[in-house]
Amino acid sequence: NAGVTQTPKFQVLKTGQSMTLQCAQDMNHEYMSWYRQDPGMGLRLIHYSVGAGITDQGEVPNGYNVSRSTTEDFPLRLLSAAPSQTSVYFCATSRQGPNQPQHFGDGTRLSIL
Amino acid sequence: DAKTTQPPSMDCAEGRAANLPCNHSTISGNEYVYWYRQIHSQGPQYIIHGLKNNETNEMASLIITEDRKSSTLILPHATLRDTAVYYCIVRVGRGSTLGRLYFGRGTQLTVWP
Repeated sequence: NAGVTQTPKFQVLKTGQSMTLQCAQDMNHEYMSWYRQDPGMGLRLIHYSVGAGITDQGEVPNGYNVSRSTTEDFPLRLLSAAPSQTSVYFCATSRQGPNQPQHFGDGTRLSIL
Repeated sequence: DAKTTQPPSMDCAEGRAANLPCNHSTISGNEYVYWYRQIHSQGPQYIIHGLKNNETNEMASLIITEDRKSSTLILPHATLRDTAVYYCIVRVGRGSTLGRLYFGRGTQLTVWP
């Protein structure tokens, strides 16, 4: 999807390892979010940000940290990976203001052994 | 945000209209109805949204009942490429919750030749 870039696309970790999933956007969108998607389920919100320096928790924030030092980047950190965090992770962005649609990246597929 | 209910699966013949229903009986007056879809292994894609009037764009039409307790997404001439999971979401259009979307399990639409 143009405008929202997620890296890496695939990653395998061992339990206890840490890593950062990157999300970058070039659309100058104020809002950025992280979701996870597990088999047979819809997307669940992890963390979101309404602008640089401001973050808040979503539905399933435990085990994840975020920061928003710039408008363009919104990294998601796993401090100590657990098998339950095996999932597909999506980053989404949108403009400020009412009724702005969200734009999603292509996802990061993460496996934790 | 109000909860939505969608059938888990539907199918449609190629070239025919696909009508995807969504119930949102607890919707409040300032909540909008949004539709997204997710084609296998890709990020969700915005389709359309509305408050109380019917809406149409190049992808689809959205019909919202007068009492706003349900809506229907219409793909007027379904193609094989419309095979995807379709998500109906209701959310407030303003304020700090703007960056959040709550996805359910959606409807798996299969278009057959």
